[in-house]
Amino acid sequence: GQQLNQSPQSMFIQEGEDVSMNCTSSSIFNTWLWYKQDPGEGPVLLIALYKAGELTSNGRLTAQFGITRKDSFLNISASIPSDVGIYFCAGHEVGNQFYFGTGTSLTVIP
Amino acid sequence: KAGVTQTPRYLIKTRGQQVTLSCSPISGHRSVSWYQQTPGQGLQFLFEYFSETQRNKGNFPGRFSGRQFSNSRSEMNVSTLELGDSALYLCASSEGGRDFYEQYFGPGTRLTVT
Repeated sequence: GQQLNQSPQSMFIQEGEDVSMNCTSSSIFNTWLWYKQDPGEGPVLLIALYKAGELTSNGRLTAQFGITRKDSFLNISASIPSDVGIYFCAGHEVGNQFYFGTGTSLTVIP
Repeated sequence: KAGVTQTPRYLIKTRGQQVTLSCSPISGHRSVSWYQQTPGQGLQFLFEYFSETQRNKGNFPGRFSGRQFSNSRSEMNVSTLELGDSALYLCASSEGGRDFYEQYFGPGTRLTVT
């Protein structure tokens, strides 16, 4: 099945730095979701986006629904150690399944 | 509201056996999706059930099957297990309506096939 292109694949950053990651697709989506997954656990929903151009924040997290509807971006400001984990994007079109990105592994160095 | 629950959390089976995994969605959610997660393949969609009917299906062999009950609880069955079926199996639920698709995951069932 289709997998979304997510980049970067991994990031090693200092505590306090900002983080940016993005997801691109060859298909147009109506919904973009961003998840964080800790080892051995299920992904936790962070942000949901429903309209092209939409910018939504959740605390230090900000995500945007790309204007072409084929991409999305997630930014984390002032990273802290508990931000460590794998971040996934997911795209959805009405009547179809969710497609997931390949994940971005984030390591925060104290 | 209680979150998505999955049972069992861990399972060890041998090749050739079959296994049934269970998922209870968030109260009020009518859609349940199943995913297989492995380090090499990432999150792969298995199938989605909505109001007891399979609504979408991924690209997995017929050994993988599922069903949904009238209370929205869902089960996934894998027959004739192979070593490659070792994975984290995740269930996710959503309201299932056309306008909003926030999907919430359970903790997963870690299946090891020996």
